[in-house]
Amino acid sequence: AQSVTQPDIHITVSEGASLELRCNYSYGATPYLFWYVQSPGQGLQLLLKYFSGDTLVQGIKGFEAEFKRSQSSFNLRKPSVHWSDAAEYFCAVGGSSNTGKLIFGQGTTLQVKP
Amino acid sequence: DTEVTQTPKHLVMGMTNKKSLKCEQHMGHRAMYWYKQKAKKPPELMFVYSYEKLSINESVPSRFSPECPNSSLLNLHLHALQPEDSALYLCASSLRQATLAKNIQYFGAGTRLSVL
Repeated sequence: AQSVTQPDIHITVSEGASLELRCNYSYGATPYLFWYVQSPGQGLQLLLKYFSGDTLVQGIKGFEAEFKRSQSSFNLRKPSVHWSDAAEYFCAVGGSSNTGKLIFGQGTTLQVKP
Repeated sequence: DTEVTQTPKHLVMGMTNKKSLKCEQHMGHRAMYWYKQKAKKPPELMFVYSYEKLSINESVPSRFSPECPNSSLLNLHLHALQPEDSALYLCASSLRQATLAKNIQYFGAGTRLSVL
C-alpha cells in the first residue's frame, strides 16, 4: 500500500540554523513527490515537487529537497531558517495515476526559536 | 495566478441548519477537490470532481452534498451536521484529475467550520 511517513512530529530550530525535515514513502511505481507548507489557519502552499530528472529540486522560500530512490526518501532542507518558516509541513506522494489522490504524511510542526 | 478562493472563511452552524461552502478558481482547472482537515492532522480527501462530474466520493456521509455547477465553481452543501464535523474544509483544484498523478493541486485558505 502507498504511504508516506514523516518521522518527526515536532521540530524546534533556532533562527538562522539549518533545517532538515524527513519524509519516507512507500510507492510501487515512480513516485511524484510534493512538499506543502501550512501556516496556522491557512490552506496548503506548494513548496516544491519532484516528478523526474534532477534529484535535487529547488522550491520557493529558499527550500530544496533531494529525492533518494535507494532510501525511499524525499527530505526537505533549508540552510538558514527564518522565524516566518514556523508552520506545519506536509510531505505527499501522488497516488494512483487515475485518481489524482494525494497521500499525505502526518505532518511535521516546525517551531523557530529567536 | 494560482488562486483558489473559498468563502466564507469562518462558519458557525447548529446541527439543524443548512449551509453551503463555496470554492472558486479561474485557472482553467478541470479537477476540483474537497478535503476535510482536523487540527494537527493531514487533509483527508472527501470528493473529487472532474469536468464537472463527481469522480470520487470517499464514503462521505450524505449530510455533505457536493455540487459543481460549472468549471470554476465548487460548492459543499451541509445539512444536519454533527459536532465532530467541525474542521477546516479545504478546496483544491488541478489542471486535470486523471492520467497524471503529477497534476499539481492548488489549495484555498479553507473554511473553518464549527458545529454547535
